[in-house]
Amino acid sequence: DQQVKQNSPSLSVQEGRISILNCDYTNSMFDYFLWYKKYPAEGPTFLISISSIKDKNEDGRFTVFLNKSAKHLSLHIVPSQPGDSAVYFCAASSFTGANSKLTFGKGITLSVRP
Amino acid sequence: NAGVTQTPKFQVLKTGQSMTLQCAQDMNHEYMSWYRQDPGMGLRLIHYSVGAGITDQGEVPNGYNVSRSTTEDFPLRLLSAAPSQTSVYFCASRTQGINSPLHFGNGTRLTVT
Repeated sequence: DQQVKQNSPSLSVQEGRISILNCDYTNSMFDYFLWYKKYPAEGPTFLISISSIKDKNEDGRFTVFLNKSAKHLSLHIVPSQPGDSAVYFCAASSFTGANSKLTFGKGITLSVRP
Repeated sequence: NAGVTQTPKFQVLKTGQSMTLQCAQDMNHEYMSWYRQDPGMGLRLIHYSVGAGITDQGEVPNGYNVSRSTTEDFPLRLLSAAPSQTSVYFCASRTQGINSPLHFGNGTRLTVT
């Protein structure tokens, strides 16, 4: 059973426009959410996170929104740049101390057209 | 500052062969883990360790062994390779701090024929 779902496998946007990447989860015990970005032939790199006590976290061009009642989060990139073209993974965890583990979605491939 | 280093970058094995994927980190992170990435499957946790001498299973542990004799190293052993283990393997580490993010290596692409 997939606990973190990224239902859209790909997204294409024009440079300068907003990119909105969506993620849904089913486990109500998840209390911390992260987005990772991955370029080909590289490992994923941490992008931004949000705790369940917040509904928004912003870092430069990247903003993550969390809707706990809907078990939904989204990553907004404004403005989108060609260098943002990558695979984006949504991940979630429920804090259980040292053993806290991340559950990842399948990823969304973002293409930003110049 | 090397971060998380994985070797080799590429490997081809025949069915039944064994090998060890190496992972080392220089950030003094207590927590280390192995993931595999398959098309359409995202990243799935194989094994993890919260410190030297302590390991535990993740979501897909079958066919893999791990050990953690030092803080820096966390090798992943394939005992008898199978085509189903063809994948890209990522090692990752983090501190034990609450909600600290994982730092990933650049992966090992393994093909089992």
